[in-house]
Amino acid sequence: DAGVIQSPRHEVTEMGQEVTLRCKPISGHDYLFWYRQTMMRGLELLIYFNNNVPIDDSGMPEDRFSAKMPNASFSTLKIQPSEPRDSAVYFCASSLDVSGGTDTQYFGPGTRLTVL
Amino acid sequence: GNSVTQMEGPVTLSEEAFLTINCTYTATGYPSLFWYVQYPGEGLQLLLKATKADDKGSNKGFEATYRKETTSFHLEKGSVQVSDSAVYFCALSGKAAGNKLTFGGGTRVLVKP
Repeated sequence: DAGVIQSPRHEVTEMGQEVTLRCKPISGHDYLFWYRQTMMRGLELLIYFNNNVPIDDSGMPEDRFSAKMPNASFSTLKIQPSEPRDSAVYFCASSLDVSGGTDTQYFGPGTRLTVL
Repeated sequence: GNSVTQMEGPVTLSEEAFLTINCTYTATGYPSLFWYVQYPGEGLQLLLKATKADDKGSNKGFEATYRKETTSFHLEKGSVQVSDSAVYFCALSGKAAGNKLTFGGGTRVLVKP
């Protein structure tokens, strides 16, 4: 399996622009997670989906952030408008099941976002 | 709520040295415990896990034992290599938090030849 695929790997944009990050989870995985990693705050869970349905978006920082999962093989995280403080590495992860709390999450390589 | 505390880095040591990274947690119920590793420029990958008290997870020479009495899950390796240089994250997953992963702050390890 190719693992979790994210694109782009690097994104540089200017403040106020719309940014869309993409993720393809591992085939057959029912859960998809979006994380943000910064030096100041470490790893933060933004949102996660089960069978394409958002389950918990309590980590989404504000209304400028939105995430969708139109089908089992694709998800997007959108920031509109972007701000310099959104600069971070964004990770997507997927897992088979979380109901038992024991399943491994598989992470993609991340998208490094820089907002100027 | 759930929380994970791990020692701050960076930890710098020589090849073949013994490595310990401390991790303690706070959680309700009986969480599962994980160590993830992040190599430079990559995403996190599972290193090992333990799902109940007294379980020992092991992989690639690393070990950690789930100690319920001390709420700890310390990571150890007897002889590190330069290739072990990475950031190590302790994490837990428990039903009280919807089985989401809660991560510690990460510990950067640098192994010098």
